[in-house]
Amino acid sequence: DTEVTQTPKHLVMGMTNKKSLKCEQHMGHRAMYWYKQKAKKPPELMFVYSYEKLSINESVPSRFSPECPNSSLLNLHLHALQPEDSALYLCASSQERQAEAFFGQGTRLTVV
Amino acid sequence: RKEVEQDPGPFNVPEGATVAFNCTYSNSASQSFFWYRQDCRKEPKLLMSVYSSGNEDGRFTAQLNRASQYISLLIRDSKLSDSATYLCVVRSNTGFQKLVFGTGTRLLVSP
Repeated sequence: DTEVTQTPKHLVMGMTNKKSLKCEQHMGHRAMYWYKQKAKKPPELMFVYSYEKLSINESVPSRFSPECPNSSLLNLHLHALQPEDSALYLCASSQERQAEAFFGQGTRLTVV
Repeated sequence: RKEVEQDPGPFNVPEGATVAFNCTYSNSASQSFFWYRQDCRKEPKLLMSVYSSGNEDGRFTAQLNRASQYISLLIRDSKLSDSATYLCVVRSNTGFQKLVFGTGTRLLVSP
């Protein structure tokens, strides 16, 4: 089972709201990722967690706050976002030292 | 220079055609290579990994040339369902964790 589950699928939020995106995998993968994808562009890496520890932060603004409560879950907390943050947010996971990464269906976020 | 570069698209081909996509990468220490496909408004899905010896999966053939830092994907007997964006993806050697995506090449297969 190569499934990564993301919730919600769609989210509309105001610039003063606080919301969270959730991601879950049960493949025993120890690396989990957040990517952001704008229309007609490739996914851009935001964060990487390895063994539940943040190992890469691609200079993401602090209004995006990741959290890895356990090896199966990854959250992305959102606060005071801007309209330009509207995008598809993708979660992925992979084995630590194996190559393939599997993506969730994404959360389509609109900031109004 | 971008770390992973792909052919500009879109490629418009008729059903049954053979089409090839190219990709170059700049980091000579890159370890792993993949092709993903992405349908409109969907997530990227792994199409195939790319091995040094080349590999084939049905109508799809991937090649890697480490000396030239070049990856290719060949699709034979194109189907309408092959219409998608094809993303070349390279895993850096930074803790084997960072996947870097090319800009993608759009393929449109017409009847």
